Amino acid sequence: DAGVIQSPRHEVTEMGQEVTLRCKPISGHNSLFWYRQTMMRGLELLIYFNNNVPIDDSGMPEDRFSAKMPNASFSTLKIQPSEPRDSAVYFCATGLEGNQPQHFGDGTRLSIL
Amino acid sequence: AQKITQTQPGMFVQEKEAVTLDCTYDTSDPSYGLFWYKQPSSGEMIFLIYQGSYDQQNATEGRYSLNFQKARKSANLVISASQLGDSAMYFCAMRRAGDSWGKLQFGAGTQVVVTP
Repeated sequence: DAGVIQSPRHEVTEMGQEVTLRCKPISGHNSLFWYRQTMMRGLELLIYFNNNVPIDDSGMPEDRFSAKMPNASFSTLKIQPSEPRDSAVYFCATGLEGNQPQHFGDGTRLSIL
Repeated sequence: AQKITQTQPGMFVQEKEAVTLDCTYDTSDPSYGLFWYKQPSSGEMIFLIYQGSYDQQNATEGRYSLNFQKARKSANLVISASQLGDSAMYFCAMRRAGDSWGKLQFGAGTQVVVTP
């Protein structure tokens, strides 16, 4: 079975540009999570969805960040406009509802110049 | 506040030796799960092992075992017979029923280096 698929793997862009990160969950998984990892703050949850519905977006840093899950097979995390402090590795993870492990994609390494 | 503490920022272990990575947690929720993930230098997050708060037995998965001491609120990971490929960052994480089984809360991680 394919795991969680994230694209792009790497993104380098200039400050002010719009950035869109994509995630395809494992088929059958109904929970999807977006995390950000930095040296300073470690792994932080940004937002998560159950059955395509956003449940908790309290970790989204500010209005520049938005996430959507239009269907069970796809989610996006958008940053507009991007800033250098957004540079981080962004992970998408999916799983089943309840006390089940989350399975992570390979991450997107984002650099904002 | 719920919290995961990993007190060992880094450790060296010799190949074929066992290593124990410490993890303590703080929660008042009676229903929770504890997870360990491995992050090699290539960056991916790999799920290793899980322990539920109501599980009577310690979890085991191949060379990985979890030393779960509920009263002490600790969930230490034991890696037996270390291999060079075990060199990685290891994260302990918790998920709680009180969070509607939502987010994973992660510790700061322990960097393990396995030497020949």
